[in-house]
Amino acid sequence: DARVTQTPRHKVTEMGQEVTMRCQPILGHNTVFWYRQTMMQGLELLAYFRNRAPLDDSGMPKDRFSAEMPDATLATLKIQPSEPRDSAVYFCASGLPGTSGLTGELFFGEGSRLTVL
Amino acid sequence: GDSVTQMEGPVTLSEEAFLTINCTYTATGYPSLFWYVQYPGEGLQLLLKATKADDKGSNKGFEATYRKETTSFHLEKGSVQVSDSAVYFCALSDRGGTSYGKLTFGQGTILTVHP
Repeated sequence: DARVTQTPRHKVTEMGQEVTMRCQPILGHNTVFWYRQTMMQGLELLAYFRNRAPLDDSGMPKDRFSAEMPDATLATLKIQPSEPRDSAVYFCASGLPGTSGLTGELFFGEGSRLTVL
Repeated sequence: GDSVTQMEGPVTLSEEAFLTINCTYTATGYPSLFWYVQYPGEGLQLLLKATKADDKGSNKGFEATYRKETTSFHLEKGSVQVSDSAVYFCALSDRGGTSYGKLTFGQGTILTVHP
């Protein structure tokens, strides 16, 4: 059963620490997204990649966030240094635009819940 | 830019009641439209989709019709169950240019169904 896998599921850290979240997209999907979910802002797009190249990271605070795809099976989102306002659930999603009748459907992981104290 | 506006929540219903969650959109291109559902502690799952005007998406008793003239994609279910309690997100994917595949979400509507 193909699915997007995210680690860690839960992370509690102290302000100033580095946090790295990892995502394994569905094999063969060429587009990967990072979303952040909070009660106040809802779902926000942070960054996305197509064929491992970053297409848009305008949603990320550039001074502390970075997103990469070292290879086709791994996407990472790093926060350094972390701040309490970064507390949220971070979702990774993958898709393959152009298939499934050009519907643009995305498949989501279960999320990484980050708490920064 | 693209945007999605959903009915304000939360919505609280009794079991077997009729459900409508309104969704309207603004898009520069000709988008695909989606409803995603998020159960407590889980990620988002696709509930249904529609790719062109007048298409009706349906799944698990939920339906939504792509209305281009009113730029709407309202979610309906004739008889809700307690197990339908979740957060529902309307979303669009603009199929043009480099943004292709990117989902723009509404703010989400919390649905609680009581026995």
